[in-house]
Formats: sequence, C-alpha cells, structure tokens
Amino acid sequence: GQSLEQPSEVTAVEGAIVQINCTYQTSGFYGLSWYQQHDGGAPTFLSYNALDGLEETGRFSSFLSRSDSYGYLLLQELQMKDSASYFCAVRGRNQAGTALIFGKGTTLSVSS
Amino acid sequence: TAGITQAPTSQILAAGRSMTLRCTQDMRHNAMYWYRQDLGLGLRLIHYSNTAGTTGKGEVPDGYSVSRANTDDFPLTLASAVPSQTSVYFCASSSGTGGEKLFFGSGTQLSVL
Repeated sequence: GQSLEQPSEVTAVEGAIVQINCTYQTSGFYGLSWYQQHDGGAPTFLSYNALDGLEETGRFSSFLSRSDSYGYLLLQELQMKDSASYFCAVRGRNQAGTALIFGKGTTLSVSS
Repeated sequence: TAGITQAPTSQILAAGRSMTLRCTQDMRHNAMYWYRQDLGLGLRLIHYSNTAGTTGKGEVPDGYSVSRANTDDFPLTLASAVPSQTSVYFCASSSGTGGEKLFFGSGTQLSVL
C-alpha cells in the first residue's frame, strides 16, 4: 500500500520562511506532488518532483530525495494569503493503478 | 473555459436514499477521479477512470459506483446513502493517466441524515 506523513499544523509570521515536510511509502514511485487548498476552496496544483533535487517556482520551492522517501515544500516571504492547507501526493503503483494518493494535509497559519 | 463542473453544490440526503453526483469536464482530459475530503483525513480516492469506458477502485470505493460512458462525464452514485458518507466530494481530471497535475471541481457538500 501507500502512506504519506506530513505535519498537521504549521504556524509562521509574514515574511518568514516555512518548510513543510512529507515522507512517503509506496510500491513503485513516480513522483511527489504538492497541492494548496484555501478554506472552502478546491485543491490547486503547486509543483511536481520526479527527480531528486529542488524545483523553484517563484516564492515556492519543492524538494525531493527518492533515496530517503522524503520531500518538502518551502514557502518564502510568507504572505497572509498563503494561509491554507498543503497536501503532498504520490503517484505510485497500488490497487488504484497509478492515481494520485494524498497525505492528510498541513494547515499553515500565517500571522502578521 | 469552465474546466470541471460539479453539481449539485450541496445536498442534504436522507439515509437509504440514492443520489448521483454529477461531474463534467470540457478539457478533453482522459483521466478523471472522485475524491472525498473529511476533516483530518485529507483527500481519499474513491474511484477513478483512466479513459472513457474504463473505471477502477480507489482507496475507499465501498458504497459508491461510477460510470464513464464518454470523455466528458464521470458521475458518482451512492445507491443507498449512509451517514458516514457525509463529506465534501471533489471530482478531478488530468490529461494523462499519471495525473501529476489534477484539475479539481469546486466540490459537492453532501450531508446524509
């Protein structure tokens, strides 16, 4: 089967940097994705790592280490609008074929 | 472009009744998915379809059925609803069966009483 672990909550202040970690277990690994979801909204895609290393997209970066089954999402220059839930997800081989399986999510609260 | 449209937005349903949640996409994506989201449990995959005419079971398929008669539509049916099916249901699609980048609908809030 598959499992993903990420912290349930993270708090930070505006302008700070925060890192949300994700560890995963899966049989057959293809990549690690990150999604953002604001309260009452739908999840939206942030990033995807198929290979080891850092991917940067503006203030957000995502890192993957396949040997450690570990990745993280790095948010820099935090803004109030970054307050949301963040989900890591893996596409691995299981009874669901290769559909995305999500972690339980990390709630990020940014204060002024 | 509308993307993915889900209907209804919300629904209150008596236990034992049946209901179909509708999902339509206009992006011509091959793969479609149904997830349910419950507080503290994240998004859990119910059923998926890699292409029209095929479907598969996800993590929590019991009590739900799907069909994929064409590319655009992927309805989710609850044959006999139970209170534990109270949840927010999201339909999603992706251009490839790998599904790294999913596009989500706005969700259906379902309450089973």
